Amino acid sequence: DAGVIQSPRHEVTEMGQEVTLRCKPISGHDYLFWYRQTMMRGLELLIYFNNNVPIDDSGMPEDRFSAKMPNASFSTLKIQPSEPRDSAVYFCASTLSGLASETQYFGPGTRLLVL
Amino acid sequence: RKEVEQDPGPFNVPEGATVAFNCTYSNSASQSFFWYRQDCRKEPKLLMSVYSSGNEDGRFTAQLNRASQYISLLIRDSKLSDSATYLCVVNDPDSGYALNFGKGTSLLVTP
Repeated sequence: DAGVIQSPRHEVTEMGQEVTLRCKPISGHDYLFWYRQTMMRGLELLIYFNNNVPIDDSGMPEDRFSAKMPNASFSTLKIQPSEPRDSAVYFCASTLSGLASETQYFGPGTRLLVL
Repeated sequence: RKEVEQDPGPFNVPEGATVAFNCTYSNSASQSFFWYRQDCRKEPKLLMSVYSSGNEDGRFTAQLNRASQYISLLIRDSKLSDSATYLCVVNDPDSGYALNFGKGTSLLVTP
């Protein structure tokens, strides 16, 4: 079975450019999470969706960040304009029902470097 | 405010050693606890859930102390393949289904 799929796996861009990260959750999973991981701050939750609806976006750092989930099999995280401090690994994860006791399955991540 | 605190390590141990990691969490209302494992440049993966009575999975034993808000992971007979970062994870009861991740404890098992 396919796990969570993310693209691109690596992205290098220049400050000020728009960056779009993509995620395909595991089929049948109703919850999708976007995380950012840095050495300084560890793994931080940015936003999560339930049945394509954003539930909690309190972790989104600022208005430059936006996320959408147009259907059950696709989500995007967009940064516009990007800044060097956005450099991090961005993970997408999904769960079947979203219960706090349930395993979250992570994608391989997108390594973003903003120059 | 740090929700989940871990000793970052690194812990360098020889093969066959026993090693223990600890973690503390700040929200006493948390109900779900986990250890995730993250290999270098890979995604986190669930190692094991942590139950109130403590639980064991092969060489791995997890313990929870709710009174002290403390979680531990014990690895016995360490293998080279155990080298990884171990993330302590606790649910955030104030945020629905969100999880709070510790920054992780790095383990290096040497021959």
